[in-house]
Amino acid sequence: GAVVSQHPSRVICKSGTSVKIECRSLDFQATTMFWYRQFPKQSLMLMATSNEGSKATYEQGVEKDKFLINHASLTLSTLTVTSAHPEDSSFYICSARGGTGNTFGSGTRLTVV
Amino acid sequence: GQQLNQSPQSMFIQEGEDVSMNCTSSSIFNTWLWYKQDPGEGPVLLIALYKAGELTSNGRLTAQFGITRKDSFLNISASIPSDVGIYFCAGRPPGFGNEKLTFGTGTRLTIIP
Repeated sequence: GAVVSQHPSRVICKSGTSVKIECRSLDFQATTMFWYRQFPKQSLMLMATSNEGSKATYEQGVEKDKFLINHASLTLSTLTVTSAHPEDSSFYICSARGGTGNTFGSGTRLTVV
Repeated sequence: GQQLNQSPQSMFIQEGEDVSMNCTSSSIFNTWLWYKQDPGEGPVLLIALYKAGELTSNGRLTAQFGITRKDSFLNISASIPSDVGIYFCAGRPPGFGNEKLTFGTGTRLTIIP
């Protein structure tokens, strides 16, 4: 079945630094990837949609300069949280669309201290 | 962003009991999906529904795509300990090339020993 690998699974960083999260589709080509954010005990909220070779489309209220998304190939998308602050601490999950549906990565727990 | 109304928010049941949860929306969807999320993990697809009225089973799980296209339910029969987790519905609205998923608010299932 379709597998999406997301790394790192956990990261702790200092305020003001940047963190990069990778999302790879291992056995299929993903023309579209999605990035979600999930706060504790809440649902998944879509942050942005990225298509290979083009600029990401951000949801309303999501700062594109803070959450940089790059989708350079059909199997890799990255999310960089720039100048991270404690309020950016959250669970970030990617999803890749290819074939029959959307497959999710295992998530990245970001803690900004 | 938009969210689907999912109920109940939480359930406390005994092992062996059946479980039922549902999602409703004010707008129609072309696809309904049901996911399960374990702590610290990404959602895993349980059942996908593509046609109004469709009833689909996956082992002990059964889900239906409402005739109005504005609702869906998920039933779990004879619950077992590994059913514990958070269940999310998700819908994909009509529109060519519309790949976005809207997620429900989640149902947290707990099995009382």
